[in-house]
Amino acid sequence: DAGVTQSPTHLIKTRGQQVTLRCSPKSGHDTVSWYQQALGQGPQFIFQYYEEEERQRGNFPDRFSGHQFPNYSSELNVNALLLGDSALYLCASSLGPGARNQPQHFGDGTRLSIL
Amino acid sequence: EDQVTQSPEALRLQEGESSSLNCSYTVSGLRGLFWYRQDPGKGPEFLFTLYSAGEEKEKERLKATLTKKESFLHITAPKPEDSATYLCAVRGGANNLFFGTGTRLTVIP
Repeated sequence: DAGVTQSPTHLIKTRGQQVTLRCSPKSGHDTVSWYQQALGQGPQFIFQYYEEEERQRGNFPDRFSGHQFPNYSSELNVNALLLGDSALYLCASSLGPGARNQPQHFGDGTRLSIL
Repeated sequence: EDQVTQSPEALRLQEGESSSLNCSYTVSGLRGLFWYRQDPGKGPEFLFTLYSAGEEKEKERLKATLTKKESFLHITAPKPEDSATYLCAVRGGANNLFFGTGTRLTVIP
């Protein structure tokens, strides 16, 4: 049973560039959430996708956008990269957007470094 | 506003030395408190979900408990392989998880 898979594992970009990160949810899951984890901090919620729509958004600027595809996979796009965007980006999947007894399961993340 | 505070920030234990990690929370309408384990360079690994005060869950050397204001993760006779960062998160009225900053546990052989 494949868990949550993310690609790429590492990425180096320069300021002002754009980046796309990808996520395939755990088999049977239909909801994908994205988190940003800075070094030494807990993950911070970016947004959640369910039925191909953004259902909820955290306190992140519009430079952060996403998409969910019919097969439930998802992309996170970040435009106009800033040095402060350097972090581990985590994707989590679950069955239903907040269904009881359904924890979110995380992938191993994409480490994004901005030079 | 949802708030999660974990203590201590870091904990060093001798192998076999039991201890507890604390997670204090403030949330409007708790819809679950979650414990995760995170190893360096990896994503968080789900451990437990707790929903109501008085609830307890156990897995091997770990036991999680919940009150109306805090949760404890008790580690009994830890082994070096228990070394990791332990994250606590709450789900309130929103569907997302709100995380604390974690407790970095080191178990020395």
